[in-house]
Amino acid sequence: GAVVSQHPSWVICKSGTSVKIECRSLDFQATTMFWYRQFPKQSLMLMATSNEGSKATYEQGVEKDKFLINHASLTLSTLTVTSAHPEDSSFYICSARDPEGGYEQYFGPGTRLTVT
Amino acid sequence: AQTVTQSQPEMSVQEAETVTLSCTYDTSESDYYLFWYKQPPSRQMILVIRQEAYKQQNATENRFSVNFQKAAKSFSLKISDSQLGDAAMYFCAYKTGNTPLVFGKGTRLSVIA
Repeated sequence: GAVVSQHPSWVICKSGTSVKIECRSLDFQATTMFWYRQFPKQSLMLMATSNEGSKATYEQGVEKDKFLINHASLTLSTLTVTSAHPEDSSFYICSARDPEGGYEQYFGPGTRLTVT
Repeated sequence: AQTVTQSQPEMSVQEAETVTLSCTYDTSESDYYLFWYKQPPSRQMILVIRQEAYKQQNATENRFSVNFQKAAKSFSLKISDSQLGDAAMYFCAYKTGNTPLVFGKGTRLSVIA
């Protein structure tokens, strides 16, 4: 099956700094990637849809200036949390769709962000 | 907007027994896909089973099967011969062809030895 990686798996940053999370599709080209956020004991909430070569589409209530998404290539999308605050601490999961593989989405292992 | 509802926050089952997790959804689409995902403590999302709405036959994957009732917009997951490794969060999810997955709130399944 298709493999999606994320880096880093765990990051701690200080309040006010920015942190970048990478999502890569390893064995397929992903024209579309999705970013989800998951708080403890809660479900996955879609933050944004990332399309290669164009601007990301953000869900209602998600600050696009705070969560910068760049999908610069067919295998890489990045999420940058700018001026992070403790309330941004969460588990971030990316997911990619293989256009050759139909409708299914493949998930990365997630990134745990802790802002101190 | 499409919504997915899981009404059971927690469930438990004895090892080797059968358990059914419930899921209902709301959509005006006729062509869509339904999924059950498992999220163990590692938090990696693992696809358990999928169902295409146009297929009348219920999907089955080894010990996992679904009861898909399209008219009732119901999509329950049955786990037979439960094993300790089945303990996890289970999420029901919905999508159409090009839209992202929408998840229910999840059901935490405990397996009692």
